[in-house]
Amino acid sequence: SQQGEEDPQALSIQEGENATMNCSYKTSINNLQWYRQNSGRGLVHLILIRSNEREKHSGRLRVTLDTSKKSSSLLITASRAADTASYFCATDLGNTGKLIFGQGTTLQVKP
Amino acid sequence: KAGVTQTPRYLIKTRGQQVTLSCSPISGHRSVSWYQQTPGQGLQFLFEYFSETQRNKGNFPGRFSGRQFSNSRSEMNVSTLELGDSALYLCASSPGASRMNTEAFFGQGTRLTVV
Repeated sequence: SQQGEEDPQALSIQEGENATMNCSYKTSINNLQWYRQNSGRGLVHLILIRSNEREKHSGRLRVTLDTSKKSSSLLITASRAADTASYFCATDLGNTGKLIFGQGTTLQVKP
Repeated sequence: KAGVTQTPRYLIKTRGQQVTLSCSPISGHRSVSWYQQTPGQGLQFLFEYFSETQRNKGNFPGRFSGRQFSNSRSEMNVSTLELGDSALYLCASSPGASRMNTEAFFGQGTRLTVV
């Protein structure tokens, strides 16, 4: 079964608005990563947050991690049409070489 | 630096046949992982190779196998194809021996359709 559950499954917003996606997981993790996938193509790594970190920023992306609640959120600020994609969280249990992915959130940004 | 290269990009096979997919990692990367992506099951881990050795394996039947060569290139093979094997197969590479806190770099995938 999937480690990560993402919410919402689909999100539609206007350009310029912020988009927030949430991810919950079940077991202790070493780190949590967020990836983007454009229309059935390869995954692009966005950001990695370690289990001892609470917040991380990269450009217009902000990721938070709450290990007590086993949850993470990805915030995309000032969204653009080019941000339209599926976003996946992936948990790394540590030293396994294996990422466990959530089902993903499909984001549509309307121009 | 060239990214992760997967070949072929698209493939159509008949039930019962076998198929081999290829992945060339980023130059200098020694770890290669494979994932299967389907609409129903999402992204699922198949296996991971490092220095020609399988280090971890997902929960897939023995029809799914892989290998890694001395130049870190990897292949995965699926024998006796079933309709349910239709999926996007993604390969990812990572730099080195440590699996701790490393991001994965994905290829564009091979879209396999079994008819």
